[in-house]
Amino acid sequence: DADVTQTPRNRITKTGKRIMLECSQTKGHDRMYWYRQDPGLGLRLIYYSFDVKDINKGEISDGYSVSRQAQAKFSLSLESAIPNQTALYFCATSEPGTGPNTGELFFGEGSRLTVL
Amino acid sequence: DQQVKQNSPSLSVQEGRISILNCDYTNSMFDYFLWYKKYPAEGPTFLISISSIKDKNEDGRFTVFLNKSAKHLSLHIVPSQPGDSAVYFCAASGPGAQKLVFGQGTRLTINP
Repeated sequence: DADVTQTPRNRITKTGKRIMLECSQTKGHDRMYWYRQDPGLGLRLIYYSFDVKDINKGEISDGYSVSRQAQAKFSLSLESAIPNQTALYFCATSEPGTGPNTGELFFGEGSRLTVL
Repeated sequence: DQQVKQNSPSLSVQEGRISILNCDYTNSMFDYFLWYKKYPAEGPTFLISISSIKDKNEDGRFTVFLNKSAKHLSLHIVPSQPGDSAVYFCAASGPGAQKLVFGQGTRLTINP
């Protein structure tokens, strides 16, 4: 089983619909992130959370919201989906601290969202 | 404002030869750099990293070079193998390594 699990893996929806992407992890990490990948733009940070009570906006948070239900769960919501939110979404986790792999992220397999 | 840039969207290399992937950054506060590899239908996976106190880090066939004065890093893969065909993302973080900023990615194709 994957350490970082995203559901659904694929979703097609219509403009204006509410969509939730869910992420759960078994790595025991405190930090969780949501990124989106678009061709030519790479991975861009939407929201991140360093613990259950901490939520922070990333570089492209407009149109999105998140909920950190537990240490292991971090969900991303699109309240009213629009076509330019069509993308591949990744959840990731990490641990804080120092060391050679400080900042290393562990990614889920991605959720492909298409908004028609 | 793209703080981390990979200017080559794609690269094609012959099997057995050296692959060199390049990355430039603009934020002088970045002090830690990573490379991630991504296969289709999978999430990115960590490949190799380098701290700004070093100028080279090597791990088997993979070597990352950092030129702080030029704000440039590169990933060398030698010898290149077919399994290296993937998209490679460069990423950077500042003090505290709170979050990573990614480049656009370079699609590497290794030809037999």
